[in-house]
Amino acid sequence: DQQVKQNSPSLSVQEGRISILNCDYTNSMFDYFLWYKKYPAEGPTFLISISSIKDKNEDGRFTVFLNKSAKHLSLHIVPSQPGDSAVYFCAASLDSGGSNYKLTFGKGTLLTVNP
Amino acid sequence: ETGVTQTPRHLVMGMTNKKSLKCEQHLGHNAMYWYKQSAKKPLELMFVYSLEERVENNSVPSRFSPECPNSSHLFLHLHTLQPEDSALYLCASSQMTAGGTEAFFGQGTRLTVV
Repeated sequence: DQQVKQNSPSLSVQEGRISILNCDYTNSMFDYFLWYKKYPAEGPTFLISISSIKDKNEDGRFTVFLNKSAKHLSLHIVPSQPGDSAVYFCAASLDSGGSNYKLTFGKGTLLTVNP
Repeated sequence: ETGVTQTPRHLVMGMTNKKSLKCEQHLGHNAMYWYKQSAKKPLELMFVYSLEERVENNSVPSRFSPECPNSSHLFLHLHTLQPEDSALYLCASSQMTAGGTEAFFGQGTRLTVV
């Protein structure tokens, strides 16, 4: 049973426009959420995170929104750039024995930003 | 050198071979992980080591044997693998702490079992 779901396998946007990547989760105990970006032949790189006590976190062109009641989070990239083209993974963790160490990942969404 | 480094980047091995994957982290973290990424599947957590002790083993077959000699190094010993074990194996490290922390990943080893 997948606890973190990214229902869109792919997304295509024009350069300069907004990219919105969505993620849903089923485990209400998750209290920390992360987005990773992955280029081909490389490992995932951390992008941005959000704690469950917040509903928004912003870092430059990247903003993550968390809706706990809907168990939904989204990553907004604006403006989108061709270099943003990559697979984006949503991940979640919960406090286990006093630390959040186990990440549960979604399947990823391939973002393509067209020039 | 900084970050998380994995070697080799690519590995082709027969089903009767024995090989090892190596991971090294230069971030001063206290936890290290092995993940498996198969095609069209989420990243699957295989093993977690905290302070060199294994704290999680997610029902991984015994043909995969991890070793963590110190907080900076992690190995994955492979023997008698099956073709379905072909995947991208990713090592990660993090600082195990309350409140959430991000894991930093290596570039992965692309394993092909023939």
